[in-house]
Amino acid sequence: GDSVTQMEGPVTLSEEAFLTINCTYTATGYPSLFWYVQYPGEGLQLLLKATKADDKGSNKGFEATYRKETTSFHLEKGSVQVSDSAVYFCALSESGTYKYIFGTGTRLKVLA
Amino acid sequence: ETGVTQTPRHLVMGMTNKKSLKCEQHLGHNAMYWYKQSAKKPLELMFVYNFKEQTENNSVPSRFSPECPNSSHLFLHLHTLQPEDSALYLCASSQDRLAGADTQYFGPGTRLTVL
Repeated sequence: GDSVTQMEGPVTLSEEAFLTINCTYTATGYPSLFWYVQYPGEGLQLLLKATKADDKGSNKGFEATYRKETTSFHLEKGSVQVSDSAVYFCALSESGTYKYIFGTGTRLKVLA
Repeated sequence: ETGVTQTPRHLVMGMTNKKSLKCEQHLGHNAMYWYKQSAKKPLELMFVYNFKEQTENNSVPSRFSPECPNSSHLFLHLHTLQPEDSALYLCASSQDRLAGADTQYFGPGTRLTVL
């Protein structure tokens, strides 16, 4: 079945460091791909998404490119801030189904 | 209020209790979801409702019973739970699950502890 694998955390970085959080997926069809972020005490909120191969999603300085050849959707940010500390979830959704498949989440901690 | 709200935010219950979780969305969406979030595990989709009809039941034990009286409200009725059911229960909504790559909007969750 469909699945999402993301790197184990926690990831600890200094402010202004470069961030990469890896995400790979398996899917039978042509899914849409998402990154959600969860701040402490809150629910998940959409960070960015891409609906087809080679699409790049971007928001708040974060970017991810839908790579069909490597089945990947890695999250990147050039310069992280303390306020980016949160848990990041990679997810996929197949059109025509009701299922959303989430990864286990990667906790990011940014130190001042 | 805006977005997706959940009550209560925290709940402690014994294994013989009956309680209910409530979710309300103010976004005009047609699809609503219940998820279970446990430490170090992926979010587990429990139930999906689309236009008030249940479209997905992900092999959830019968001690969890959902109810969707209208497209704005979703309940999760709990009875005779087990300690391993302790988790964060998240409600989400989206415009229409048949429309393709919907963004899901999540509530803040109910932290449930079963003693």
